[in-house]
Amino acid sequence: AQKITQTQPGMFVQEKEAVTLDCTYDTSDPSYGLFWYKQPSSGEMIFLIYQGSYDQQNATEGRYSLNFQKARKSANLVISASQLGDSAMYFCAMSAGSSNTGKLIFGQGTTLQVKP
Amino acid sequence: SAVISQKPSRDICQRGTSLTIQCQVDSQVTMMFWYRQQPGQSLTLIATANQGSEATYESGFVIDKFPISRPNLTFSTLTVSNMSPEDSSIYLCSVHGTLQNTEAFFGQGTRLTVV
Repeated sequence: AQKITQTQPGMFVQEKEAVTLDCTYDTSDPSYGLFWYKQPSSGEMIFLIYQGSYDQQNATEGRYSLNFQKARKSANLVISASQLGDSAMYFCAMSAGSSNTGKLIFGQGTTLQVKP
Repeated sequence: SAVISQKPSRDICQRGTSLTIQCQVDSQVTMMFWYRQQPGQSLTLIATANQGSEATYESGFVIDKFPISRPNLTFSTLTVSNMSPEDSSIYLCSVHGTLQNTEAFFGQGTRLTVV
């Protein structure tokens, strides 16, 4: 069975510092994708970054980078130079299987609070 | 990226009634996905909406409670039927982007409160 685990219910970070949000996954499929989303209090889901299981390099998108450690089945999100607007819930998600076309399994989420 | 318009953005409904949520995409997509997010919880997939065939429901979700329509490649509706307070949740539709599985976008969500 496929599973995503986020073990940090809440995190605090000082403005302008970097923060790492943890995510581990479990799947027996060799082909899978890992996603991170930001959900502000408004409820919308904002796509941040994607990492494919066959990608050789860690994904980066602006201030977001994904620390992909395939052997350890972890896909941690690193946010550099935190901003007050980064305060939100963050979800790690996975799509798996060669027949998959976008169906995602989500972790429990991590609430990030950025302190001024 | 795909732009998804979802409405209503929020509603307060009486128990026993039904609400239909609409999701419009700015491009043609093969599959659309409907998720539920109960208060303080993560997202759970309700069903996959396929154009031209019946929706595929996940375990724990049934068509009588959550009927789905998919009349064309850019539009889908989810109905929450015979509502109870336990149906109070955020409902979100999702599509994958043009790069197949490397992108998955969501509508703005519908925040439903059943009283």
